[in-house]
Amino acid sequence: EAGVTQFPSHSVIEKGQTVTLRCDPISGHDNLYWYRRVMGKEIKFLLHFVKESKQDESGMPNNRFLAERTGGTYSTLKVQPAELEDSGVYFCASSRKTGGLYGYTFGSGTRLTVV
Amino acid sequence: GQQLNQSPQSMFIQEGEDVSMNCTSSSIFNTWLWYKQDPGEGPVLLIALYKAGELTSNGRLTAQFGITRKDSFLNISASIPSDVGIYFCAGYNSGGSNYKLTFGKGTLLTVNP
Repeated sequence: EAGVTQFPSHSVIEKGQTVTLRCDPISGHDNLYWYRRVMGKEIKFLLHFVKESKQDESGMPNNRFLAERTGGTYSTLKVQPAELEDSGVYFCASSRKTGGLYGYTFGSGTRLTVV
Repeated sequence: GQQLNQSPQSMFIQEGEDVSMNCTSSSIFNTWLWYKQDPGEGPVLLIALYKAGELTSNGRLTAQFGITRKDSFLNISASIPSDVGIYFCAGYNSGGSNYKLTFGKGTLLTVNP
């Protein structure tokens, strides 16, 4: 089966601009997660979708970040306006079953650089 | 929130050497996971541990789930150049609406051929 697909793989934007990251989960995976790793730090949970509903967005840094998953398929994560501290690698993951690790698979990530 | 302390931060070793890294937590997890991230890729699961005291092997990799459920270690024996990458520990608590992984900061492993 195809894996979790993320694009773009890299994005360099100026402070104040808007960027939208996209994640296509594995087909049939109802659960979709966003994580972020800032350089040298841990990979941190941002939010979790079950189908099109936000199950938990407690990890979202602030209201400049907006995640959507229309129709319960792919998801987008928009940062508007971007700040320097938003730089990092944004990972998406998907899994088949809530509360379980079944098929919990990560994408290759989007490396975001804000200058 | 829960935090994982992973050490060492980085290691530079010669091919053929054994490697050990560990993770400690301020709170209990009922599942410990070890991931590897290759450059330009996402984390890939290496080993999952589900029971306190459990010792599990996957080829040259061996990991243990600490008795207190607050720590875990990963050993790599006879390292080879393709072992290069960042290794992450992660804790997970199954049950209810739990679904998120808590990661350590990673151990950057460099293997000199």
